[in-house]
Amino acid sequence: ETGVTQSPTHLIKTRGQQVTLRCSSQSGHNTVSWYQQALGQGPQFIFQYYREEENGRGNFPPRFSGLQFPNYSSELNVNALELDDSALYLCASSLVGINYGYTFGSGTRLTVV
Amino acid sequence: TQLLEQSPQFLSIQEGENLTVYCNSSSVFSSLQWYRQEPGEGPVLLVTVVTGGEVKKLKRLTFQFGDARKDSSLHITAAQPGDTGLYLCALNRDNYGQNFVFGPGTRLSVLP
Repeated sequence: ETGVTQSPTHLIKTRGQQVTLRCSSQSGHNTVSWYQQALGQGPQFIFQYYREEENGRGNFPPRFSGLQFPNYSSELNVNALELDDSALYLCASSLVGINYGYTFGSGTRLTVV
Repeated sequence: TQLLEQSPQFLSIQEGENLTVYCNSSSVFSSLQWYRQEPGEGPVLLVTVVTGGEVKKLKRLTFQFGDARKDSSLHITAAQPGDTGLYLCALNRDNYGQNFVFGPGTRLSVLP
């Protein structure tokens, strides 16, 4: 089975720009979640998508938005980038249910300068 | 306020030693997971526990979910350098799906 793949692996953007990060879910998984992990911290929940609709959101402003496509791949879009947006962005796919865990991708390292 | 606390924050031990790390919350959760993350990689799921008081073993790792489903511990026996990494606990706030809150992690270094 294929795992979760994310692209790009690294990205440098200028403050005020927009960025799109991409994720391909593990085969058979129908839920995708995005997390932001700042250096030295645990992942922070951004939002989750199930059946192409947002199914929960963390404490992130509206300039963080996402999409899930029929093939369960996903995008994370961030507008008006700020310096504090510099972090590792992790995509995780799973099946629905409390007994299921996440399969994480290796992440996209975003640096905002 | 920190929803989830993990202790210790850092731990450095010699190969062969035993260790225990802790995860504590003031809230009750439907399930708890432990992950291990290596530099430059995403977290890898180690275990999911659902029932209060549940104990699971994974080779040299023993995971326990507290009776009140608000805390957990991870015990490693005879630690090896390959156990080095960031150990994250994650608590599920959703009773049906996944809405996981991650702790800040315990960074473990096992020296040969």
